[in-house]
Amino acid sequence: KAGVTQTPRYLIKTRGQQVTLSCSPISGHRSVSWYQQTPGQGLQFLFEYFSETQRNKGNFPGRFSGRQFSNSRSEMNVSTLELGDSALYLCASSSTANSPLHFGNGTRLTVT
Amino acid sequence: DAKTTQPTSMDCAEGRAANLPCNHSTISGNEYVYWYRQIHSQGPQYIIHGLKNNETNEMASLIITEDRKSSTLILPHATLRDTAVYYCIVRVPNDYKLSFGAGTTVTVRA
Repeated sequence: KAGVTQTPRYLIKTRGQQVTLSCSPISGHRSVSWYQQTPGQGLQFLFEYFSETQRNKGNFPGRFSGRQFSNSRSEMNVSTLELGDSALYLCASSSTANSPLHFGNGTRLTVT
Repeated sequence: DAKTTQPTSMDCAEGRAANLPCNHSTISGNEYVYWYRQIHSQGPQYIIHGLKNNETNEMASLIITEDRKSSTLILPHATLRDTAVYYCIVRVPNDYKLSFGAGTTVTVRA
């Protein structure tokens, strides 16, 4: 079974631009969650989607948004990029509430 | 949320068992213990999880003390590819706000 796929793997953007990251969950997984990982802050939760509905949201500004499609694929968007948005963005999927989260290899975003 | 405490780093000889401890003294009754590992520039990889019984899969074994205040991840025959940062976390079902902490940096030496 294929794992969680995230595209693109690397991105370089300039301040003020916007970016869209994509995540394809493991087949059959309906929950997709997003995380930001930085050396200083560690792993921070952005939001979680299930059946196209956002169920949980972390403490990030409104510049960070996401959505989930009917096939469970998900995208997240960051608008008006800031230098501090440079990070590894991880997507994880799971099948049920108590099943483990399986992570993709992330998108490395660099904002210059 | 319960927090976990892990040693900062440990070394292990290739082919030997690696025993990674984790303290979670404030764990609540419905929180599971999960282990993940992360190799540089990759996403966290799920290893194993459990509630109160010991668990084993193809990657590792998880030993949870009877009072559930601590656990040990056992990699039975460490290889160089097991060099990674290992994270022990506690999580209730349907909780996605994971807190990974600093983890244990495991270095497997030939």
